[in-house]
Amino acid sequence: AQKVTQAQTEISVVEKEDVTLDCVYETRDTTYYLFWYKQPPSGELVFLIRRNSFDEQNEISGRYSWNFQKSTSSFNFTITASQVVDSAVYFCALTDSGAGSYQLTFGKGTKLSVIP
Amino acid sequence: SAVISQKPSRDICQRGTSLTIQCQVDSQVTMMFWYRQQPGQSLTLIATANQGSEATYESGFVIDKFPISRPNLTFSTLTVSNMSPEDSSIYLCSVDETGAYGYTFGSGTRLTVV
Repeated sequence: AQKVTQAQTEISVVEKEDVTLDCVYETRDTTYYLFWYKQPPSGELVFLIRRNSFDEQNEISGRYSWNFQKSTSSFNFTITASQVVDSAVYFCALTDSGAGSYQLTFGKGTKLSVIP
Repeated sequence: SAVISQKPSRDICQRGTSLTIQCQVDSQVTMMFWYRQQPGQSLTLIATANQGSEATYESGFVIDKFPISRPNLTFSTLTVSNMSPEDSSIYLCSVDETGAYGYTFGSGTRLTVV
């Protein structure tokens, strides 16, 4: 069975600080996909990134960066120079071919508060 | 990526009644998913809806409580039946897009049962 663990329930940082959100996953499959989503207070789910299990290159997109390490089954997300607009709940998710229907398994989410 | 229109965006309903949530996609998609997010919790998959077949429900969710229709490749509905306060949640539909965009979600329906 697949599982996603986000150990940090809530994080508070002061604006302009860097912050890293942790994500650890479990799957028996060798082919899988990892995702990060942002859920602002309005409730919609905003797609941030998808990474497949064969691509361990780290990725940077503006102030966002992701560190994928298969050796530790982790897919961490760093926001550099955080801003108040980054305040949201962030979900890490996993899907693998073993699920059959490619359903997403979500972690419990990390609530990030950026204080001005 | 696909654009999903989900209606209603929010509703307050009386216990014992039913609410039907609609999800319209601007392109044809094979698989659609319905998720529930209880207050302060993560998302839990309710069912997978493929056009032309019965929806596949996850453990803990049954068709009598959450009937789903999928009449074509761009539309689906989820009904929350005989509602109780425990059904107060955000309900989200999602579509499976292969490629770089990942899964796209509707804006959600925030349901409050009183």
